[in-house]
Amino acid sequence: EVQLVESGGGLVQTGGSLRLSCAASGFTFSDYRLHWVRQAPGKGLEWVSVIERDVTTTTYADSVKGRFTISRDNAKNTLYLQMNSLRVEDTAVYYCARDPGDYWGQGTLVTVSS
Amino acid sequence: DVVMTQSPLSLPVTLGQPASISCRSSQSLVHSDGNTYLIWFQQRPGQSPRRLIYSVSYRDSGVPDRFSGSGSGTDFTLKISRVEAEDVGVYYCLQGTHWPPYTFGQGTKLEIK
Repeated sequence: EVQLVESGGGLVQTGGSLRLSCAASGFTFSDYRLHWVRQAPGKGLEWVSVIERDVTTTTYADSVKGRFTISRDNAKNTLYLQMNSLRVEDTAVYYCARDPGDYWGQGTLVTVSS
Repeated sequence: DVVMTQSPLSLPVTLGQPASISCRSSQSLVHSDGNTYLIWFQQRPGQSPRRLIYSVSYRDSGVPDRFSGSGSGTDFTLKISRVEAEDVGVYYCLQGTHWPPYTFGQGTKLEIK
């Protein structure tokens, strides 16, 4: 059974940092591109970032470029999102998702307070 | 960026009646490889998104056959032939043809009348 389990969310002040993790199981992790998608409270879905199977190729939404870094460890079957210089508008549930969107984690809540 | 526009944004439906959600893109979603990367998701209250339809019209395993997707170019539709109580939630379309960024529609909230 495919599973994606996010962790690492929490409360942080503006300007702070958090590192999210997404532990994967039930499939060959290294065979898939992986995404982070976020959802602000009561709002719609917003794509954040994607990492290719090759580990080195990454792409970001303009809203997080230069502040967030996506990475993966294929030996540990884990996806990461390093979030720096956090802003109030980054407050959201962050989901990891397998490309092309067929499996999603349960999400982890990040709250940025001023 | 490709803008995805859904309508309606709110959809009250009587149990057993059909429902239809439109998703229009600001440019054609036909990729140079010939595929159209248009996906429909369902998000039930308090749950993660669930993929229902991919590549416009291919239904995911386990998705009831009352759900169907259609369309081409810039105009796409998700139809539910007979709405059931478990269909309550928000429905999103997503384009993956012209990225970055991947872009979602605003979401359509389906509720039972």
